[in-house]
Amino acid sequence: GIQVEQSPPDLILQEGANSTLRCNFSDSVNNLQWFHQNPWGQLINLFYIPSGTKQNGRLSATTVATERYSLLYISSSQTTDSGVYFCAVEQRSNYQLIWGAGTKLIIKP
Amino acid sequence: EAGVAQSPRYKIIEKRQSVAFWCNPISGHATLYWYQQILGQGPKLLIQFQNNGVVDDSQLPKDRFSAERLKGVDSTLKIQPAKLEDSAVYLCASSLILSGNTEAFFGQGTRLTVV
Repeated sequence: GIQVEQSPPDLILQEGANSTLRCNFSDSVNNLQWFHQNPWGQLINLFYIPSGTKQNGRLSATTVATERYSLLYISSSQTTDSGVYFCAVEQRSNYQLIWGAGTKLIIKP
Repeated sequence: EAGVAQSPRYKIIEKRQSVAFWCNPISGHATLYWYQQILGQGPKLLIQFQNNGVVDDSQLPKDRFSAERLKGVDSTLKIQPAKLEDSAVYLCASSLILSGNTEAFFGQGTRLTVV
């Protein structure tokens, strides 16, 4: 099956810093989603991005499907950005999401 | 547009007891998923429904877990009897899967503690 790897596993930054999170996947996929899981466990949709670049405020994402990776950029980090960021790719055969292990982000004030 | 609704938010039960979780997906979403998320890990798919039919339940421990989606809308997930290792957050998600848009949306989850 498809393998999804996220890096780095952990990231600690000061408020105001920028960061780049990476997601590599091992096979062609239908689509890719980025989620933020906040400290209360809620999974929040960030981007639905099979290819190209999207931006939403301080966050942006780029997926290069031909090279099988996606990047999530967070600029001017705030403490509310803390949590775990998951990448999930959609298998072509059955629309199921295959998840990475996540990147745990801690933003210090 | 209302999101995915789940209840209860929290549940504490003793091992060997039974428990049920409820999910109401986003209106019009044909596909519904139940995931189990153990602390520190990513979500693990338990079962996927397309309308009221099961697409995949290969990772559902069928000796103790059951799920149904009557009428292709609401769904319930049941555990009977519960074990300590079932302590986790149970997440319900739904997606439309029309015109190539398969974005999945998640409910707030039910945090289960088995003692």
